[in-house]
Amino acid sequence: EAQVTQNPRYLITVTGKKLTVTCSQNMNHEYMSWYRQDPGLGLRQIYYSMNVEVTDKGDVPEGYKVSRKEKRNFPLILESPSPNQTSLYFCASSLVTSYNEQFFGPGTRLTVL
Amino acid sequence: SQKIEQNSEALNIQEGKTATLTCNYTNYSPAYLQWYRQDPGRGPVFLLLIRENEKEKRKERLKVTFDTTLKQSLFHITASQPADSATYLCALFINAGKSTFGDGTTLTVKP
Repeated sequence: EAQVTQNPRYLITVTGKKLTVTCSQNMNHEYMSWYRQDPGLGLRQIYYSMNVEVTDKGDVPEGYKVSRKEKRNFPLILESPSPNQTSLYFCASSLVTSYNEQFFGPGTRLTVL
Repeated sequence: SQKIEQNSEALNIQEGKTATLTCNYTNYSPAYLQWYRQDPGRGPVFLLLIRENEKEKRKERLKVTFDTTLKQSLFHITASQPADSATYLCALFINAGKSTFGDGTTLTVKP
């Protein structure tokens, strides 16, 4: 089944404890992106990647890192999480660019205490 | 600054009626616009894409219009059903990488 998977789905952590949220797609898509969704603020783009080893900032990249070493994986790294990073995170992929239909993962609900 | 506004947070309509959702934007010249559906606790699901040189796009009971002069897109669901109840998001794409989404409009279709 064609899909985008994220792990973990739920995470409660404490301020400053490094964490990684994994994202994987099995559709051989070139484009991948991370978003966070907060009430009243909608979906905001954190980082995106046009292809392997090519990443760029979205609208809210502060406090986050990403890497794209393989086509299928696009992990989101929070080196020192803070409470303002408590949010619902979505990973998405599309065939070539953001212009194409984006397929979203199921989401990761992160709480930073 | 760049901004997308979707009409009222919530829209309630009767089953069988046409739902019309609005997406207005400022300070953009988007090449593409997409509409997504999002159910509670789930990721958005793609519905329709329209290009800047297209005025209208249809898919079954869905219709999207794109007016680059008014800087507005309208999303219509005809013969609405309770199963259409969800949050609908519009998204703009200025270049191949960056995506900007609206806050969404929550549609409730009452039987």
